[in-house]
Amino acid sequence: GIQVEQSPPDLILQEGANSTLRCNFSDSVNNLQWFHQNPWGQLINLFYIPSGTKQNGRLSATTVATERYSLLYISSSQTTDSGVYFCAVNNNAGNMLTFGGGTRLMVKP
Amino acid sequence: DTAVSQTPKYLVTQMGNDKSIKCEQNLGHDTMYWYKQDSKKFLKIMFSYNNKELIINETVPNRFSPKSPDKAHLNLHINSLELGDSAVYFCASSQDAFNQPQHFGDGTRLSIL
Repeated sequence: GIQVEQSPPDLILQEGANSTLRCNFSDSVNNLQWFHQNPWGQLINLFYIPSGTKQNGRLSATTVATERYSLLYISSSQTTDSGVYFCAVNNNAGNMLTFGGGTRLMVKP
Repeated sequence: DTAVSQTPKYLVTQMGNDKSIKCEQNLGHDTMYWYKQDSKKFLKIMFSYNNKELIINETVPNRFSPKSPDKAHLNLHINSLELGDSAVYFCASSQDAFNQPQHFGDGTRLSIL
């Protein structure tokens, strides 16, 4: 099956800093999503981005499908950005997502 | 108002018991899913269910069985619970099974004593 690797695995930021999270995948994909799992365990859908670039407030994402990677940018980080960020992809029947291992982000005040 | 809702939020039970987790979505979606998140936060697909077609991840034991009374509901029934079944189970839905974004419920934390 498809492999999904995220980097870095852990990231500590000072409030106000910018960061880039990376997701590499081993095969072509039909679906790519970024999620934020907050400290209460909820999975929040950030972006549906199988290709191209999208922006939502301080967050933006870019997927270069031909090179098999996606980037999530967080600007002016806030303590509420803390949690685990997951990249998930699909390249199979049934739209079933394969998740990466996540990036654990801690933003310090 | 909740788009994808799961009940219960927490479930604590003894090894060997049978339990069910319910999931309902009010988004009008055709496709629903179950995922398992282990203690290391790793998320893995268990099932995809679309228009009565069930796609099963081959690694899921047959003690786990999804049941869909209608397209708005996909319940997860687990027989003969084992210690290794302790995890957070997430339900999700998408408009259809063709590369649509998925929306997740808040999860059910299952603890086996």
